[in-house]
Amino acid sequence: GAVVSQHPSRVICKSGTSVKIECRSLDFQATTMFWYRQFPKQSLMLMATSNEGSKATYEQGVEKDKFLINHASLTLSTLTVTSAHPEDSSFYICSARQPGLDQETQYFGPGTRLLVL
Amino acid sequence: LAKTTQPISMDSYEGQEVNITCSHNNIATNDYITWYQQFPSQGPRFIIQGYKTKVTNEVASLFIPADRKSSTLSLPRVSLSDTAVYYCLVGDRGSGNTPLVFGKGTRLSVIA
Repeated sequence: GAVVSQHPSRVICKSGTSVKIECRSLDFQATTMFWYRQFPKQSLMLMATSNEGSKATYEQGVEKDKFLINHASLTLSTLTVTSAHPEDSSFYICSARQPGLDQETQYFGPGTRLLVL
Repeated sequence: LAKTTQPISMDSYEGQEVNITCSHNNIATNDYITWYQQFPSQGPRFIIQGYKTKVTNEVASLFIPADRKSSTLSLPRVSLSDTAVYYCLVGDRGSGNTPLVFGKGTRLSVIA
């Protein structure tokens, strides 16, 4: 099946710094990718929809200036957490849908664990 | 808002069949039903997808009644490694720009 990768798998940073997380579709092209955030013992919360070649669409309550999304190619979307604070510590997961695939809707990456000290 | 309702948790012994039912009373005509499995600190993994009646693969079966207002994921003879959170989602498979909205999921604990 299609594979979505994320890098890094985990990152620790100091408060006030910025962190970039990459999401790649390894064997297919994805015009749309999605970014989710998951806190411990909770479900995935949709943050934004990343569109190749255009601006991302953010969910209500998600600060677009804090969570910068760039979808520069059909296989790569990046999420940059700017001026990270401890409350941004979470598990970030991206997903992508392979166009034309009959069986499955979306593939998910393995996630990135962010810890802000 | 999530479109589905599932039990928060379930317990089962190894070797038993586990059935997790999901309610989706407002499912749309174009919506498919998809189940994902998630282990701690991992991304969700696709299990099975269906539109109506019954779907079976090497991992699970999915039963969908005629009115499609609910669905049941059936896991045959569970093992300890099936301990995970299971999410039921509904969405239009034909729309690539529509994200999946997750509900709370069902936390399955398999006991030896």
